Amino acid sequence: ILNVEQSPQSLHVQEGDSTNFTCSFPSSNFYALHWYRWETAKSPEALFVMTLNGDEKKKGRISATLNTKEGYSYLYIKGSQPEDSATYLCAFIVTGNQFYFGTGTSLTVIP
Amino acid sequence: GAVVSQHPSWVICKSGTSVKIECRSLDFQATTMFWYRQFPKQSLMLMATSNEGSKATYEQGVEKDKFLINHASLTLSTLTVTSAHPEDSSFYICSARPGQNTGELFFGEGSRLTVL
Repeated sequence: ILNVEQSPQSLHVQEGDSTNFTCSFPSSNFYALHWYRWETAKSPEALFVMTLNGDEKKKGRISATLNTKEGYSYLYIKGSQPEDSATYLCAFIVTGNQFYFGTGTSLTVIP
Repeated sequence: GAVVSQHPSWVICKSGTSVKIECRSLDFQATTMFWYRQFPKQSLMLMATSNEGSKATYEQGVEKDKFLINHASLTLSTLTVTSAHPEDSSFYICSARPGQNTGELFFGEGSRLTVL
């Protein structure tokens, strides 16, 4: 079982603050890295699919970077809003079908 | 995006009974679906990969006679927890994806199983 770590486990930020989380994964046998947002009582939804070292992706106020050589990815949220409150999961993919999920970062944005 | 529906959302059953959970891809065909289990404060753990028209592939440590998986059509996979016991109480969630191997997963809503 591969170890995928996410930090912090949880955090609370004020509305308008910017924040970031980390996903750490093994630096070998990399195939892809996914970020998902999981709101309470809903299905996890993909934010980013990242495949290349140095990838930077952006969707609105949320962006992510990828460093496959050192085995980490950062997720950034600029100007957090209450609707950003969710658990953010990363998934490290070794082959096409082998996904290894982190335990997630639970974000609460306080109005 | 693609939609995956999972049913039931929660179920309570008595010890020794069997429970079936359904996972449907509503707007795409899924030759492969994935079943995960999540214990409190832990990550999603892959239990098995469900393959349409053939046997499921189970992860190490997952009892295939305990967790029966059937993938009889391109849009439906079922997970049956047989002779459930309290230690089977957990959150079960399915996923599927259309297209290529690097593509994102589409998840069902998950099923919370409580075995009394």
